[in-house]
Amino acid sequence: GAVVSQHPSRVICKSGTSVKIECRSLDFQATTMFWYRQFPKQSLMLMATSNEGSKATYEQGVEKDKFLINHASLTLSTLTVTSAHPEDSSFYICSARAAGPNTEAFFGQGTRLTVV
Amino acid sequence: AQRVTQPEKLLSVFKGAPVELKCNYSYSGSPELFWYVQYSRQRLQLLLRHISRESIKGFTADLNKGETSFHLKKPFAQEEDSAMYYCALKGTGANNLFFGTGTRLTVIP
Repeated sequence: GAVVSQHPSRVICKSGTSVKIECRSLDFQATTMFWYRQFPKQSLMLMATSNEGSKATYEQGVEKDKFLINHASLTLSTLTVTSAHPEDSSFYICSARAAGPNTEAFFGQGTRLTVV
Repeated sequence: AQRVTQPEKLLSVFKGAPVELKCNYSYSGSPELFWYVQYSRQRLQLLLRHISRESIKGFTADLNKGETSFHLKKPFAQEEDSAMYYCALKGTGANNLFFGTGTRLTVIP
């Protein structure tokens, strides 16, 4: 299957700083990318959906000014956690799919963010 | 509102025994249902989708609209089936997946 690469896989940052997570589709053009957040022993919760070249659509309750999403090209989306706090510590997962109604969504390996 | 329920967080079966991972959903339209699997230290990957109606790694799942269920079944569990399994739903015309809380399957040798 297609490959989605997420970087970094782990990051530790200090409170108040910003962290950028990258999601790349390595062998296909990802017209749509999704960002999920997963708390321990809980499900993946969709944070936002982004289409290449347009603004991301955020799910209810997700602060768009805190979680900045950029999908500037067909192979790269970034999630920036701004002014991180310990409660932002979580596992963040991206997913990408090509254009078309029934295309499969491929997942990155996830990023473990710890804010200290 | 859409909802995906996986009632079992943990499920253990012996090797060679049948396994069924339950998934119930709530959605007003006609959803697409999926099963995703995550093996240890690996990323989430698609196992099967109801529109394909195929068997993958011996697993099958039938969409039962009357019972709003999409249970995942395998007649003879193997050790390599031990993993985390997520049921997911995609609404009509929607782009994104809505996930259940997952079931961790352990196959005991």
